[in-house]
Amino acid sequence: RKEVEQDPGPFNVPEGATVAFNCTYSNSASQSFFWYRQDCRKEPKLLMSVYSSGNEDGRFTAQLNRASQYISLLIRDSKLSDSATYLCVVNDGTGFQKLVFGTGTRLLVSP
Amino acid sequence: DGGITQSPKYLFRKEGQNVTLSCEQNLNHDAMYWYRQDPGQGLRLIYYSQIVNDFQKGDIAEGYSVSREKKESFPLTVTSAQKNPTAFYLCASTDTFTDTQYFGPGTRLTVL
Repeated sequence: RKEVEQDPGPFNVPEGATVAFNCTYSNSASQSFFWYRQDCRKEPKLLMSVYSSGNEDGRFTAQLNRASQYISLLIRDSKLSDSATYLCVVNDGTGFQKLVFGTGTRLLVSP
Repeated sequence: DGGITQSPKYLFRKEGQNVTLSCEQNLNHDAMYWYRQDPGQGLRLIYYSQIVNDFQKGDIAEGYSVSREKKESFPLTVTSAQKNPTAFYLCASTDTFTDTQYFGPGTRLTVL
């Protein structure tokens, strides 16, 4: 079983749509959770950290369910510029600040 | 501007040659990391360093070596022992207060 599992997609949505990505992680010791965005042939960039209470940043909402070891990302009113691969990331719980990356979910937003 | 720089952006190497990838950060972060990404795959950890003059192997360290003589610098050497070195190499550093990692722009290595 992979440590961090994501649906690889691609998710094809029209502009203005709402899209949700899900992620599960296997290590119950993980304490930090993130969503990163990676454009084609570029480095990953932090989209948002994920907190137990849930958090929102503009059109983006992240949720964490520790009991189910499940993380989600909701994107509302999709823009063409949202097209990218979204990486679910958790720390490995060892205290050495090592992160474990999912393989990513690809999003394609079309006009 | 604070950030992480990697050079070169593209690198071509003949089989049997060692090559060194540069990574420099001015974020004053203690922890630095090297990852490899292959097409359609996730990031895999090669080496990491929590502090100057100390580093540990990651999940795929075979065929690679690193040094950490300065806080700002964490160069990666891809040796001839690495069987499949063609990949996208990413350097990162961590803000220890937020556990957030920041990445450099990467180096694409191609072995001819």
